[in-house]
Amino acid sequence: GENVEQHPSTLSVQEGDSAVIKCTYSDSASNYFPWYKQELGKRPQLIIDIRSNVGEKKDQRIAVTLNKTAKHFSLHITETQPEDSAVYFCAASRGNSGYALNFGKGTSLLVTP
Amino acid sequence: DTGVSQDPRHKITKRGQNVTFRCDPISEHNRLYWYRQTLGQGPEFLTYFQNEAQLEKSRLLSDRFSAERPKGSFSTLEIQRTEQGDSAMYLCASSFNPKTGGRTDTQYFGPGTRLTVL
Repeated sequence: GENVEQHPSTLSVQEGDSAVIKCTYSDSASNYFPWYKQELGKRPQLIIDIRSNVGEKKDQRIAVTLNKTAKHFSLHITETQPEDSAVYFCAASRGNSGYALNFGKGTSLLVTP
Repeated sequence: DTGVSQDPRHKITKRGQNVTFRCDPISEHNRLYWYRQTLGQGPEFLTYFQNEAQLEKSRLLSDRFSAERPKGSFSTLEIQRTEQGDSAMYLCASSFNPKTGGRTDTQYFGPGTRLTVL
């Protein structure tokens, strides 16, 4: 089955700095890659996603890049703010007959003022 | 609130008891998913429904677990003879896609049901 690895497990940055979280996946048939943010005690919330037919997607301070050849994708957060502090999960899915999201183990991001 | 809702939010039970959780998806979402999340881990897929049909099951879903979506709207997840290892957050998600098959859609998660087995 699909195996998604996520690094780093914890990340601490100062307010205003950039944060980068990286994920690799094993199933070459995966074609959908969402990122979720989960605050303590809250539900996972989608922040951005990318499909395999594009290499990069941006939404304000958040961007995701995808390298299908290398089977890795990354989340970039610029101008970080304290409210960005949360656990971030990457995931991968094959679509068609397999809609399960296979999640990484998460990255705990702390943005200090 | 038009988001995914789950009930109960918390459940404490003794080992060996049966428990049932309910998920109400976003209105008109035809796909519904169950995941399990333990502390410090990402959600793990359990099962998926397209309307009332259960189309995908993880090997994590042992014989003690059963899920239903009888009318293609709300879903229930039952765990029989609970074990301490079943303690986790059970998350439900829903999405919409008018086709059978096709691409993965954005999945919207509910707040979860936290199960503690004593």
